[in-house]
Amino acid sequence: AQRVTQPEKLLSVFKGAPVELKCNYSYSGSPELFWYVQYSRQRLQLLLRHISRESIKGFTADLNKGETSFHLKKPFAQEEDSAMYYCALRGFGGYQKVTFGTGTKLQVIP
Amino acid sequence: EAGVVQSPRYKIIEKKQPVAFWCNPISGHNTLYWYLQNLGQGPELLIRYENEEAVDDSQLPKDRFSAERLKGVDSTLKIQPAELGDSAVYLCASSSPRQGNTGELFFGEGSRLTVL
Repeated sequence: AQRVTQPEKLLSVFKGAPVELKCNYSYSGSPELFWYVQYSRQRLQLLLRHISRESIKGFTADLNKGETSFHLKKPFAQEEDSAMYYCALRGFGGYQKVTFGTGTKLQVIP
Repeated sequence: EAGVVQSPRYKIIEKKQPVAFWCNPISGHNTLYWYLQNLGQGPELLIRYENEEAVDDSQLPKDRFSAERLKGVDSTLKIQPAELGDSAVYLCASSSPRQGNTGELFFGEGSRLTVL
């Protein structure tokens, strides 16, 4: 079974402060991890994936297999970062089931 | 490109009535997903199609929910009869292994169902 846990429902930070959205997963194998974002009145969309090791809009996320975590980080929050963030896991094994966490609402205070 | 198209965007029905949602995936995407999203929760998979074959429907409540994907393109999700607890957003997503198997899902705007 695969499971994704996002312990925080709401994270409020001031503009310019660092951001860390937590994500832990449970999966017996080598998963692929993703962060999806949903801005107000927009559809859910991919922010970044661990396999690309990329930085998108200043956000980065490192897969820590020892701690089974994939936390999303940004050194300086911007007001436009306010959104719902979902961590997601795709397992291997011949199919592409994608499991989402419950989401964290990031609120950046001006 | 239009992206994943879903209709209707909003639907209000009384309990015990039937309802159907339609999804048109991105052209060429052979994998199609239906997710259920309750308020304050993340998307939960209902069913996944590879072309016209349902390869994962273990979370679909088959006593009242049904889905089809004729010709491996558009898909319809039906609920009959609807219950109060079915009030939620129904999301459709698609993906394509031809894009280097990146695993990215492309979502529609969702269909918000309210059951009275």
